[in-house]
Amino acid sequence: QKEVEQNSGPLSVPEGAIASLNCTYSDRGSQSFFWYRQYSGKSPELIMSIYSNGDKEDGRFTAQLNKASQYVSLLIRDSQPSDSATYLCAVIYTGNQFYFGTGTSLTVIP
Amino acid sequence: KAGVTQTPRYLIKTRGQQVTLSCSPISGHRSVSWYQQTPGQGLQFLFEYFSETQRNKGNFPGRFSGRQFSNSRSEMNVSTLELGDSALYLCASSLAGGLAGVTVYEQYFGPGTRLTVT
Repeated sequence: QKEVEQNSGPLSVPEGAIASLNCTYSDRGSQSFFWYRQYSGKSPELIMSIYSNGDKEDGRFTAQLNKASQYVSLLIRDSQPSDSATYLCAVIYTGNQFYFGTGTSLTVIP
Repeated sequence: KAGVTQTPRYLIKTRGQQVTLSCSPISGHRSVSWYQQTPGQGLQFLFEYFSETQRNKGNFPGRFSGRQFSNSRSEMNVSTLELGDSALYLCASSLAGGLAGVTVYEQYFGPGTRLTVT
């Protein structure tokens, strides 16, 4: 069974804080991992992709991958109210088929 | 570069009818995937097309079908609509074929088609 697990939240953080979003996956052979942001009523928007163990930074966003622990996370530094959204973790297991977690709802409190 | 487009954006149908949704991928993208999103089930994978061939298929009944044309545009069809088919249908495109020897997998979503079945 190919699974992608995320805490559904809601996760609330004050403005300016670091938001930490976590995701675990079931297939040790997975090589490709993605984070999407989805605002209410909108379609998912790609934030980050990560393929290698370690950290990948893009502006205020950092993705962290640990294949041995089958764990991928997203850190949002200096969180802003505009970051309030649902964050989806996605994993490719085979071919080009994406498996999505159910998402974590983030609220940034001004 | 234009993004993924989907038409129509909204549809209202009655039970038993059929519906066809259309997706135009980002120029140069050869892979198109379709997803159903509902509040209770999240994003569920329907199928993926690459170079006019269905490459992957999710766990949906045969009432859900799709196809891809030579210009990579894709359509999905749902026959004999049921109330439970009410959802946001999302299309995503990807290069998925490599670029100078590097395989690029990132998927980019269209705005979706909101289908309501009454």
